[in-house]
Amino acid sequence: GAVVSQHPSRVICKSGTSVKIECRSLDFQATTMFWYRQFPKQSLMLMATSNEGSKATYEQGVEKDKFLINHASLTLSTLTVTSAHPEDSSFYICSASPRDIQGNQPQHFGDGTRLSIL
Amino acid sequence: QKEVEQDPGPLSVPEGAIVSLNCTYSNSAFQYFMWYRQYSRKGPELLMYTYSSGNKEDGRFTAQVDKSSKYISLFIRDSQPSDSATYLCAMSSGGGADGLTFGKGTHLIIQP
Repeated sequence: GAVVSQHPSRVICKSGTSVKIECRSLDFQATTMFWYRQFPKQSLMLMATSNEGSKATYEQGVEKDKFLINHASLTLSTLTVTSAHPEDSSFYICSASPRDIQGNQPQHFGDGTRLSIL
Repeated sequence: QKEVEQDPGPLSVPEGAIVSLNCTYSNSAFQYFMWYRQYSRKGPELLMYTYSSGNKEDGRFTAQVDKSSKYISLFIRDSQPSDSATYLCAMSSGGGADGLTFGKGTHLIIQP
C-alpha cells in the first residue's frame, strides 16, 4: 500500500518551455503533498507544501510564480515549472502521506522526474 | 551548522557484516525520524519510521533514536549486496504532515 506515482520520469526540453509534473497517490487520499528538489550528491530539499483545495506554501527562496502548484483533488498534485532555464535542471520528487487526523503517517515518495533544460 | 549532518561515505563493507549508519541534528523540535533507501535515479523508499526516543526493529533493520544526544542510527544485520544504495535520514516535528528535513545520504556498498 501507500504508492505514489509521478509522471513523467524524464523530461528534456528547450529553455523557455513550461513543464508540468504530476504526482498521484494511487491507493490512498492525501490532503497534503510535498515537492522536493534534489541536486546531484545533495540532499532532498523541500520546495513547497501542496494543500488540497488551497494555496501551496513555499519554502524561503522558492519562487512561487516560477513553480506553480495545483492540488485539485485528494489524489493529485501538479508542479509546473514555468519558462524553465538550465539552472532549473534537477531531480524533482513528490511525496504524500495517507490522510490521518493526527498527521502521523509517514511520507511516501514517487520515483521522481529528472528535468533537463537545454 | 546544517540542521542534519550525515556522512556521505562511501561506506564499503563485506557481505554479512553489520552496518551502522547515523545522523546528528540540531533542531530539538524534531519528533519524528525516518530512514529511507534510495537507489540510483529512483525516489526514496521508506525503511523505518519512529517517534521520539527509543528503538524499533523490523526484520534485519533496527532504528535507534537518542533525542538527548540528537543522534539517530540505523543498523542493518546480515547485509546483502542488494542493500547497496544511498540511505537517507529524515526528520520532522509534525510527522507526515510536515515537510521533511533530510541528511545528505550515505552511499553504502556491500561487497559480495
